[in-house]
Amino acid sequence: DIVMTQTPLSSPVTLGQPASISCTSSQSLVHSSGDTCLDWLQQRPGQPPRLLIYKISNRFSGVPDRFSGSGAGTDFTLNISRVEAEDVGVYYCMQSTQAPITFGQGTRLEIK
Amino acid sequence: EVQLVESGGGLVQPGGSLRLSCSASGFTFSAYWMHWARQAPGKGLTWVSRITPDGGHTDYADSVKGRFTISRDNARNTLFLQMNSLRVEDTALYFCVRGTIDWPGQDYWGQGTLVTVSS
Repeated sequence: DIVMTQTPLSSPVTLGQPASISCTSSQSLVHSSGDTCLDWLQQRPGQPPRLLIYKISNRFSGVPDRFSGSGAGTDFTLNISRVEAEDVGVYYCMQSTQAPITFGQGTRLEIK
Repeated sequence: EVQLVESGGGLVQPGGSLRLSCSASGFTFSAYWMHWARQAPGKGLTWVSRITPDGGHTDYADSVKGRFTISRDNARNTLFLQMNSLRVEDTALYFCVRGTIDWPGQDYWGQGTLVTVSS
């Protein structure tokens, strides 16, 4: 199975400041189709996960443009340009390039 | 609006069985892969199982293979997860998740149904 490793595991951030979360996979996430199947999910307290970013850098429907994704191969990053109070929660990277789908451990974003 | 509503969770003793259901609406259910994922209390996300749009092919996580069975009824827009030989470590919030069309990922998640395995 592909192992997904996130850093940091906890990120205290000041409101209005940027935040960044890294995700590294144990092998390349380039799919046979040519796509790289790396997504980012947000889970607010008491809520189910919600898709934020798909295939590295595409924002899902309704996701604010302060969220962006980048990376290639085995190294990926989720950036939040200016953190808002509603961004508090746990963020997961997820790969679906190779079965089984696997997730990172999660990064807890909290406000300082 | 895509909606996924899980039901069937509850308290069960080790070795027991449960059948989870997921009622889907707001999209053409029969066109999509569907998944189950779970989250143990205070822990991260784990993929459990998936099924093709026609129900002809299924995959399972090693931890549930041989004990869980995923199925679907496209006429009723419903996804199922039959869970047998339940273990304490199967205790989790179980989510129904829609697969994506143009890449093998997932997009919409249900609210989840809680399964507790305890004596």
